[in-house]
Amino acid sequence: TQLLEQSPQFLSIQEGENLTVYCNSSSVFSSLQWYRQEPGEGPVLLVTVVTGGEVKKLKRLTFQFGDARKDSSLHITAAQPGDTGLYLCAGVSRGSTLGRLYFGRGTQLTVWP
Amino acid sequence: GAVVSQHPSRVICKSGTSVKIECRSLDFQATTMFWYRQFPKQSLMLMATSNEGSKATYEQGVEKDKFLINHASLTLSTLTVTSAHPEDSSFYICSARGTGARYGYTFGSGTRLTVV
Repeated sequence: TQLLEQSPQFLSIQEGENLTVYCNSSSVFSSLQWYRQEPGEGPVLLVTVVTGGEVKKLKRLTFQFGDARKDSSLHITAAQPGDTGLYLCAGVSRGSTLGRLYFGRGTQLTVWP
Repeated sequence: GAVVSQHPSRVICKSGTSVKIECRSLDFQATTMFWYRQFPKQSLMLMATSNEGSKATYEQGVEKDKFLINHASLTLSTLTVTSAHPEDSSFYICSARGTGARYGYTFGSGTRLTVV
């Protein structure tokens, strides 16, 4: 059972298009992170959201944490080929004593020039 | 920023041998380290969580005797794949979390293990 449902799994778009990746759960998270991973490398943290309803912007990337802290979204405006990669959402379940980070299945994004 | 060094980045070993992968936190003390396994185009699968000085907590389905984890200091954790088989070939990634008000988990760059 996947604690975090991430969609879509694959996304192939043209340069300049907008896209949104969703991360949903029935569980409450104390924090949620978004990562980007290149082939053969470890994930790189993009953002951490902590407060319900929080919105964070990182250049063309907008991250939102749901009011109930059960879901999050990543929106990319005017995607560029350099945005290509595996995007992962991950959350720390509220009450977790070990601080286990639960990952979604990932979204493989390909942006064509 | 926080840096985690993982090595080797690539290793090829013969079936039946053991391989050790190291994960070091370079500029912070990692009270907790996590080991993940990742298959091509898939997400990270948590294998085990280790706290410095105590036994690792393994996820269901992960063989403790096959994947030995040692977290002997606040800056070093090792994963040893014992009696490796071709099906153990995968991308292994470590992650470290420090003390204090840290929400982020710093990841190593991964180790590509190929068992032949």
